[in-house]
Amino acid sequence: EAGVAQSPRYKIIEKRQSVAFWCNPISGHATLYWYQQILGQGPKLLIQFQNNGVVDDSQLPKDRFSAERLKGVDSTLKIQPAKLEDSAVYLCASSEGYEQYFGPGTRLTVT
Amino acid sequence: KQEVTQIPAALSVPEGENLVLNCSFTDSAIYNLQWFRQDPGKGLTSLLLIQSSQREQTSGRLNASLDKSSGRSTLYIAASQPGDSATYLCAVINSGYALNFGKGTSLLVTP
Repeated sequence: EAGVAQSPRYKIIEKRQSVAFWCNPISGHATLYWYQQILGQGPKLLIQFQNNGVVDDSQLPKDRFSAERLKGVDSTLKIQPAKLEDSAVYLCASSEGYEQYFGPGTRLTVT
Repeated sequence: KQEVTQIPAALSVPEGENLVLNCSFTDSAIYNLQWFRQDPGKGLTSLLLIQSSQREQTSGRLNASLDKSSGRSTLYIAASQPGDSATYLCAVINSGYALNFGKGTSLLVTP
């Protein structure tokens, strides 16, 4: 069974630029999550989708971050404009029950 | 708000030792608790998931226990090996399926 796929794996941008991350969940998983993991911290939930609807986006900085899940499958997370403090690993996870399966993450460096 | 704490933050042990990683949480009304492993530059690998009605789960050399009433979980690793070196993350689910993570314990097993 294929796991959660994410791209790109690494991205370096300058502050005020925009960036987008892509996630393809495990086939059949209705729930998709985006987490932000800052160095030395545990992952923090940014947004949770159930099919293509948003369940929880309370910790998403909506002035600069946006996310969508088209047709209830793939998802993209966008940051515009990026700030230095957005440097982190962005993890995508999917689940069909309580157990979540994580992708390899995208490491973003904002200079 | 759920707070998850992991102690110690870092641990170094010689190969062959048995060791215990600790996790505590402030809100005992959890659905599940999950232990993950994270290798440098990689995503999260699920090790064990304990449902709220369970007291422990075992997988190979790993044993995780859960005491909901006291807000504690432990991950026991028997006969540690250098390949066990990684960061171990504890996460709880209160509602909505989203995970609340601790900051992790960084484990180094020396040959």
